[in-house]
Amino acid sequence: DVKVTQSSRYLVKRTGEKVFLECVQDMDHENMFWYRQDPGLGLRLIYFSYDVKMKEKGDIPEGYSVSREKKERFSLILESASTNQTSMYLCASTNAGGRPYYGYTFGSGTRLTVV
Amino acid sequence: AQSVTQLDSQVPVFEEAPVELRCNYSSSVSVYLFWYVQYPNQGLQLLLKYLSGSTLVESINGFEAEFNKSQTSFHLRKPSVHISDTAEYFCAVTYTDKLIFGTGTRLQVFP
Repeated sequence: DVKVTQSSRYLVKRTGEKVFLECVQDMDHENMFWYRQDPGLGLRLIYFSYDVKMKEKGDIPEGYSVSREKKERFSLILESASTNQTSMYLCASTNAGGRPYYGYTFGSGTRLTVV
Repeated sequence: AQSVTQLDSQVPVFEEAPVELRCNYSSSVSVYLFWYVQYPNQGLQLLLKYLSGSTLVESINGFEAEFNKSQTSFHLRKPSVHISDTAEYFCAVTYTDKLIFGTGTRLQVFP
């Protein structure tokens, strides 16, 4: 079964810490995405990547950065965690523009609490 | 730009009753449409999708959705819900290579 794996289900970090959220997919997908999910706001796109060493800003990139050194791994970095970054973080991947189009496969999510 | 509107943030319903979760999208081009389900403390799982062909699509657990191009809608329906259907449901539409999500509808099924 194809998988997107997020390394942590729950994380608690202190304000000001540098935080790494890891995501690995085993489907040889080109495209990978990071979302945050908050009640009443749905999913908001933080960053995405269409290829190794490539990244694009999503709708809410402030306070975040990403790294994609290998095709299967896409890391989200909180440079200096703040309490307003407490959220559920979801990683997703998909095949590139070829057909058929499968939609996204999501990881199980990382619930981050910043105290 | 694309947008997706889920008109109901919460839908409470009794077990074995029918349910409809509404989704409207804005688009002037051909789109792919999706419904995802999120069970408590889990990631999103694909429930069903419309890519082309028949406008009525079905999932393996009894949900169905109908693509209505004239009304730009993709409502999700189930004729008889079960307690285990309690979850949050997200409608999504493609925009270039990205998916645009609605804000979600929380379906709560009561015994």
